[in-house]
Amino acid sequence: DAGVIQSPRHEVTEMGQEVTLRCKPISGHNSLFWYRQTMMRGLELLIYFNNNVPIDDSGMPEDRFSAKMPNASFSTLKIQPSEPRDSAVYFCASRSYPTGSRPSGGNNEQFFGPGTRLTVL
Amino acid sequence: AQSVTQLDSHVSVSEGTPVLLRCNYSSSYSPSLFWYVQHPNKGLQLLLKYTSAATLVKGINGFEAEFKKSETSFHLTKPSAHMSDAAEYFCVVEAYTDKLIFGTGTRLQVFP
Repeated sequence: DAGVIQSPRHEVTEMGQEVTLRCKPISGHNSLFWYRQTMMRGLELLIYFNNNVPIDDSGMPEDRFSAKMPNASFSTLKIQPSEPRDSAVYFCASRSYPTGSRPSGGNNEQFFGPGTRLTVL
Repeated sequence: AQSVTQLDSHVSVSEGTPVLLRCNYSSSYSPSLFWYVQHPNKGLQLLLKYTSAATLVKGINGFEAEFKKSETSFHLTKPSAHMSDAAEYFCVVEAYTDKLIFGTGTRLQVFP
């Protein structure tokens, strides 16, 4: 298994440009998470999907951010327009977990991708 | 609500000496707890997890953690540090939703 795949690994763009980050979860996983990591705020959950449906997007900073999961094997996180304060490492994670079973009893392990380092100039 | 507190933002040890990374949790029910490790410029990797089967949990690379309900703690230990252990470590608790709640992280430095 190749693990969670993210692209690009590095992105440098100018303020105002649209940025699209991509994620391919582990095959068979039914949940996908987008996180952002910065020095100031640590690791923040932005949004997550169960069975391709967005469940909780309360962590999305503002309307400039949007995420989609058109199918079980692909998700995008888009920032439009981008701003320098969006500079961060963005992680995608996936897991296989029977939704509706709470708590999971430790079966909630998430598998992380290598991240995309975004720099907005 | 569930939360975790990592008591040290930085820990420095010499190679070959024991490692102790401290974590306290808060949970309204019997929690599931995890430790993740992040090496520089890498993603997060699961070290170990507690799922109520045993209070002493063994993970990868010689790490282990002990769940102590009376102290609401889940400290991470290793008997002998190796240079390759230098990384950021996150204590994580499962929320009563589908989310994981991450601590603020502890940066471990290992000196030769």
